Amino acid sequence: GAGVSQSPSNKVTEKGKDVELRCDPISGHTALYWYRQSLGQGLEFLIYFQGNSAPDKSGLPSDRFSAERTGGSVSTLTIQRTQQEDSAVYLCASSLIITDTQYFGPGTRLTVL
Amino acid sequence: GNSVTQMEGPVTLSEEAFLTINCTYTATGYPSLFWYVQYPGEGLQLLLKATKADDKGSNKGFEATYRKETTSFHLEKGSVQVSDSAVYFCARNTGGFKTIFGAGTRLFVKA
Repeated sequence: GAGVSQSPSNKVTEKGKDVELRCDPISGHTALYWYRQSLGQGLEFLIYFQGNSAPDKSGLPSDRFSAERTGGSVSTLTIQRTQQEDSAVYLCASSLIITDTQYFGPGTRLTVL
Repeated sequence: GNSVTQMEGPVTLSEEAFLTINCTYTATGYPSLFWYVQYPGEGLQLLLKATKADDKGSNKGFEATYRKETTSFHLEKGSVQVSDSAVYFCARNTGGFKTIFGAGTRLFVKA
């Protein structure tokens, strides 16, 4: 079946603009995760969803970051008033249940000029 | 604390060489341990995992053994190929929703 998909694959934006990143998880996966991968760095956990709820948002780096998930499926990560330090690859993953293997999407490369 | 430490790269090997990428973790309890791989231009994918002490995960010729006494999960392969060139991430879960990843080790294999 189809894997996790993310869009756009690349996004270039100007400092101060808002961006929305989309993640389509594998059908039937109840858990969805967002990570950030900065150049040469490991993966930084941002947020996870169990169904439509996000029990822990403490990984979000600032209040400019928010995420939602509707219908237990698609999720959107929104970054408001983007800064240059937001430039990174944003990865989405899903799993059947919380403790199961995570399947990753190809990521969205965000560049803030 | 909860962390995963893996050897810094890049690691450069010739084809058919033996590979070891070290990984150690800190944890309370008995986390599951993972190796993920990211091939050029692709997303991360699970390479192998082990869920309890002394388990050996294996896939595509790669192996890693869950060593509780040394809190390690080193990745090994007896004979690497050019197609193994990628970034390898060691990871552990926290018994809940969160998975902690290491910084990644880039492997270059020369023909």
